[in-house]
Amino acid sequence: EAQVTQNPRYLITVTGKKLTVTCSQNMNHEYMSWYRQDPGLGLRQIYYSMNVEVTDKGDVPEGYKVSRKEKRNFPLILESPSPNQTSLYFCASSLKTGSPGFFGPGTRLTVL
Amino acid sequence: AQTVTQSQPEMSVQEAETVTLSCTYDTSESNYYLFWYKQPPSRQMILVIRQEAYKQQNATENRFSVNFQKAAKSFSLKISDSQLGDTAMYFCAFMTGSGNTGKLIFGQGTTLQVKP
Repeated sequence: EAQVTQNPRYLITVTGKKLTVTCSQNMNHEYMSWYRQDPGLGLRQIYYSMNVEVTDKGDVPEGYKVSRKEKRNFPLILESPSPNQTSLYFCASSLKTGSPGFFGPGTRLTVL
Repeated sequence: AQTVTQSQPEMSVQEAETVTLSCTYDTSESNYYLFWYKQPPSRQMILVIRQEAYKQQNATENRFSVNFQKAAKSFSLKISDSQLGDTAMYFCAFMTGSGNTGKLIFGQGTTLQVKP
């Protein structure tokens, strides 16, 4: 089954404790991206990757890191989480740009 | 910078009726893509419809169609024969088509409730 998986689905953590949210797709897609969703703001792009070892900033990259060492995985790293990073996070992928159609199920992150 | 605006935070429609969700965007580019996404209560993001700016013909997917007005920078979504399962938040989104960039910009969303 073609899918994008994210782990964990829910996470409660404390300020400053490094965490990683994993994202994996099994469709051999080149394009992957991360978004955060906050009430009244829609989804905002954090980072995206056009292919292996190619990443670029979206609109809200501060406080986040990503890596793309292999095609299927695109982890999101929060080196020192802060309460303003409490949000719902989505990973997405597509074969090419122009139609990021496959989204993961979302990760609900709470930073205390 | 590109922006996407959805001016209707909430809408409701009776089952079987037609509803139109509005979206406007701002860009200086001529080549780009526009999307509508659906997010039901399960939170899963689902791509509903896609429009390429260079295509004059409005995109259609079953009961979903768009009214793409390039000069007015408007991209509305029409849902015909509304069903209870259409209850969701709908997001309009923009992606540039030039420079091989993957930046995707979303509107604030419109919550649609379909009433029985």
